[in-house]
Amino acid sequence: DAGVIQSPRHEVTEMGQEVTLRCKPISGHDYLFWYRQTMMRGLELLIYFNNNVPIDDSGMPEDRFSAKMPNASFSTLKIQPSEPRDSAVYFCASSWGTGELFFGEGSRLTVL
Amino acid sequence: QQQVKQSPQSLIVQKGGISIINCAYENTAFDYFPWYQQFPGKGPALLIAIRPDVSEKKEGRFTISFNKSAKQFSLHIMDSQPGDSATYFCAIGGGNKLTFGTGTQLKVEL
Repeated sequence: DAGVIQSPRHEVTEMGQEVTLRCKPISGHDYLFWYRQTMMRGLELLIYFNNNVPIDDSGMPEDRFSAKMPNASFSTLKIQPSEPRDSAVYFCASSWGTGELFFGEGSRLTVL
Repeated sequence: QQQVKQSPQSLIVQKGGISIINCAYENTAFDYFPWYQQFPGKGPALLIAIRPDVSEKKEGRFTISFNKSAKQFSLHIMDSQPGDSATYFCAIGGGNKLTFGTGTQLKVEL
């Protein structure tokens, strides 16, 4: 079975550019989560959706970050404009809401 | 605010030894306490989890010990193997979301 699929796996961009990260959750999962991982802060929850509706976006750093889930099989995390401090690995995860999260392999973002 | 504190930050254990990682949490509203394992270049994956109605759960070489009154839980890896070398995260769950600890880098040496 296909797991959570994220793209791109690696993204290098320049400060000020728009970045869009994409996620396809596991079919049938009704929860989708976006996490950010850095050495300093570990794994931080940015936002999560239930049945395509954003439930908690309190972890989104600032207005430069936005996330959408237009349907049950696709979500995007957008950063506009990007800054060097946004450099991190961004993970998407999905679940049935039973507790266990299934993570993708992450998108490594480098902002120069 | 940091809701879950994990220690140690890094750990080196000899093959066959016991690895112990600890976590402490602050809020008693949580009802799910998992441990995740992450290998380089991969996403975290669930290793073992416990609910607060039991004090211990064992799955193979991995055991969670849970102390509700002290608000602490720990992961014990028995007979540690080089293949266990990874980063381990504890997490606390409530309301369908997980808050993770800062991680422990475990290295098992031959």
